[in-house]
Amino acid sequence: GDSVVQTEGQVLPSEGDSLIVNCSYETTQYPSLFWYVQYPGEGPQLHLKAMKANDKGRNKGFEAMYRKETTSFHLEKDSVQESDSAVYFCALSAPYSGAGSYQLTFGKGTKLSVIP
Amino acid sequence: NAGVTQTPKFQVLKTGQSMTLQCAQDMNHEYMSWYRQDPGMGLRLIHYSVGAGITDQGEVPNGYNVSRSTTEDFPLRLLSAAPSQTSVYFCASIPFGGARGTQYFGPGTRLLVL
Repeated sequence: GDSVVQTEGQVLPSEGDSLIVNCSYETTQYPSLFWYVQYPGEGPQLHLKAMKANDKGRNKGFEAMYRKETTSFHLEKDSVQESDSAVYFCALSAPYSGAGSYQLTFGKGTKLSVIP
Repeated sequence: NAGVTQTPKFQVLKTGQSMTLQCAQDMNHEYMSWYRQDPGMGLRLIHYSVGAGITDQGEVPNGYNVSRSTTEDFPLRLLSAAPSQTSVYFCASIPFGGARGTQYFGPGTRLLVL
């Protein structure tokens, strides 16, 4: 089946540091790739997406490049802020027929805690 | 639009009790789904529905039941609660024809089974 593996546990950069959260995926299909963000007490919300190879998703200073050759979709930011603190999930959606094409496979999540 | 709403926000059950987690959306979305979120496990799909009267199982369906009698509502039933069902439950929806993978999540229901 499909799978997503991302940086595990918690990352603790200081404000102003650069950030990379790794995400690798595995599927037999040609997926779309997503990063979802979850703030405390809320449901996940779409953060950025890339629908095909070499697309770059961007949002609020974060970027992620869809790299088909390395099956990766790493989340990057040049300078993190305290307000970026949240849990980030990498996810894929594969183009199966019917309802399967709407399903998401999530990684286990990475908690970003920015030190002020 | 209220988006996706879930009730209750928090519930404590005893082992063996049953309950229904409510989910409603006012966006006329055809696809709805239920996930559970556990520490270190990410989000796992329990059940989903592609429209009224149509439901199917996801990755972790055991111990849960769903039905979809209207487009708006997609309740999740725990038939006989077990401590292993202690979790945070999220409902989500997508419109057919919407960008694949762009799911709208509710705020969640935190369930504790003693």
